[in-house]
This record gives sequence, C-alpha cells and structure tokens, in this order.
Amino acid sequence: AQTVTQSQPEMSVQEAETVTLSCTYDTSESDYYLFWYKQPPSRQMILVIRQEAYKQQNATENRFSVNFQKAAKSFSLKISDSQLGDAAMYFCAPNAGGTSYGKLTFGQGTILTVHP
Amino acid sequence: DTGVSQNPRHKITKRGQNVTFRCDPISEHNRLYWYRQTLGQGPEFLTYFQNEAQLEKSRLLSDRFSAERPKGSFSTLEIQRTEQGDSAMYLCASSEGDEQFFGPGTRLTVL
Repeated sequence: AQTVTQSQPEMSVQEAETVTLSCTYDTSESDYYLFWYKQPPSRQMILVIRQEAYKQQNATENRFSVNFQKAAKSFSLKISDSQLGDAAMYFCAPNAGGTSYGKLTFGQGTILTVHP
Repeated sequence: DTGVSQNPRHKITKRGQNVTFRCDPISEHNRLYWYRQTLGQGPEFLTYFQNEAQLEKSRLLSDRFSAERPKGSFSTLEIQRTEQGDSAMYLCASSEGDEQFFGPGTRLTVL
C-alpha cells in the first residue's frame, strides 16, 4: 500500500515569488507515476504536472516544475512567479504502479495562499 | 465536451436512508473512478471501472456501498442505510490516458 505525506498543511507566498511544496511517499513499486493536483476553493480538481518515475529528468510545465528524488521517495513542486490564481489546495498523488492509469493515493494536501 | 458531470451536486438525507449518485464521464474515456473526500483531507479511492468492468474496490467500500457502470457509460454509486460517517464529498473522475479528469463532486450530508 502506498502512503503519501505532505508535511506543510499551509504555505504562503507573495505574488511573483517562488514557493516549493514538499511531498514524500512510500511505495513498493519500481515503476509508477506521480502527479500534483490543484483544487481551488469550491472548484474541481485539476492536474498541475505529472512525472514518470522511470524518467530521471524532472518534469516542467510553464511556471510549475518538480524535484523528483526517486531514491529518497521525494516529489516536491516548485511554483515560480506565483499568481493570485495559484491559490488553492495542492495534492501530491502517486498512482498504483506499473501503469499510467491506476488509482491515485492522495496526500493530506497543502493550502497555498498567495498575497498580492 | 462538457467535462465530467455529477448529479446531484448536494444531497441531504436522514440516517438510514438510501442515496444514489450519478457520474457522467467524458464521452471517450473508458476508465472511471470514484473517490471520497472529507473536509480538509485528500480524496480516498473507492472503486475503479474500465468500461463496464469493476476492476478494483477499496476496503473503504463496505457492503452498504455499491457501484455500477452499465454499458461502460455513466456510473452510479449507491449507499444503503446511510450513516453520519458517510457525510463527505464524493468525487468521480474519468480518464483515457494518465490524467484523471475530475467532476465537481456530490456533497452528501447525513443528518
């Protein structure tokens, strides 16, 4: 069974600054996928970025990038040039191993506040 | 394509009553997932369909819970004899590739 730990219940950042959200996980799988999802207040969950565990190169998606350390089972999210619209609950979620489409195991979430 | 839809958006029921939720996935998606999210927590996996086949069920899904996906299209989640502990947001997601697209959820309140 997978476990996911997001040790920062809340984080805050000034607009245009950079913030990093941490995530560690435990899995017995050797091949799996990792995702960061964003859930704005009272709105639907949307995908921010994905990482395939067999790829050493860290994923980047515009202002969002990850620092994936497979041996340490760490998967942090960096948001550069923070915008007011980035305010949301962020969830780290590895999936069941072996495929790209297995069930997701979510962390407890980090609430990100962006100050103007 | 209007995304994943869920109905109703809110449901208030009395303890002991049965409730049924519906999820309409994105039309070309063959995989459909149900999750439950309590306030301030991350979603927890309940069950997963590929087309009409229910491939996995969580131990969270007690005998009072049943899910179906007839003809591999929409899905229903039924909770029988609801308990106050069933109060939560029930999320549906669908996928074709690795990205799961989530619906707005159904918020269940059991009085």
